[in-house]
Amino acid sequence: DAGVTQSPTHLIKTRGQQVTLRCSPKSGHDTVSWYQQALGQGPQFIFQYYEEEERQRGNFPDRFSGHQFPNYSSELNVNALLLGDSALYLCASSSDRVEDTGELFFGEGSRLTVL
Amino acid sequence: KQEVTQIPAALSVPEGENLVLNCSFTDSAIYNLQWFRQDPGKGLTSLLLIQSSQREQTSGRLNASLDKSSGRSTLYIAASQPGDSATYLCAVPGGNDYKLSFGAGTTVTVRA
Repeated sequence: DAGVTQSPTHLIKTRGQQVTLRCSPKSGHDTVSWYQQALGQGPQFIFQYYEEEERQRGNFPDRFSGHQFPNYSSELNVNALLLGDSALYLCASSSDRVEDTGELFFGEGSRLTVL
Repeated sequence: KQEVTQIPAALSVPEGENLVLNCSFTDSAIYNLQWFRQDPGKGLTSLLLIQSSQREQTSGRLNASLDKSSGRSTLYIAASQPGDSATYLCAVPGGNDYKLSFGAGTTVTVRA
């Protein structure tokens, strides 16, 4: 049973560029959330996707956008990159079914460095 | 707004000692609490999830307790091993939130 998979694992971009990060949820999960984790801090919620719609958004600018596909996989896009966007981007999946616990499972993350 | 605090920020113990990690949160209207482990540069591994109706949850050497009314959870790790060295994070949803709010974590070092 594959867990949450993310790609790429590492990438380097320059200021002003755009980046797309990808996530495949754990088998049987229908909900995908994205988090940003700066060094030495806890993850910060970016947004959550369910049924191909953004269900909730954290305190991030519109430069951060996302998408969920019919197979539940998801993308995170960041435009006009800033130095401060350098971080570990984590994808988490869960099941929205009533009978499930709502436990979140995370991928290994995508390490973004902006120069 | 849910605020999560973890104390201490770092902990160093000799192998075999029991570990006690604390987590406090400001909004007690939670439906669960989750503890995670994170190795350097890696993703988060789920350790335990406690539903709001439970007072504790156990998995092997790990035991987590939850006191919703006081806004506290404690993670106990028995007979620590060097392989337990990692950062431990607790996370809770807030009210009607789908998002999780995380603490900054407790970094544990177990000395052989």
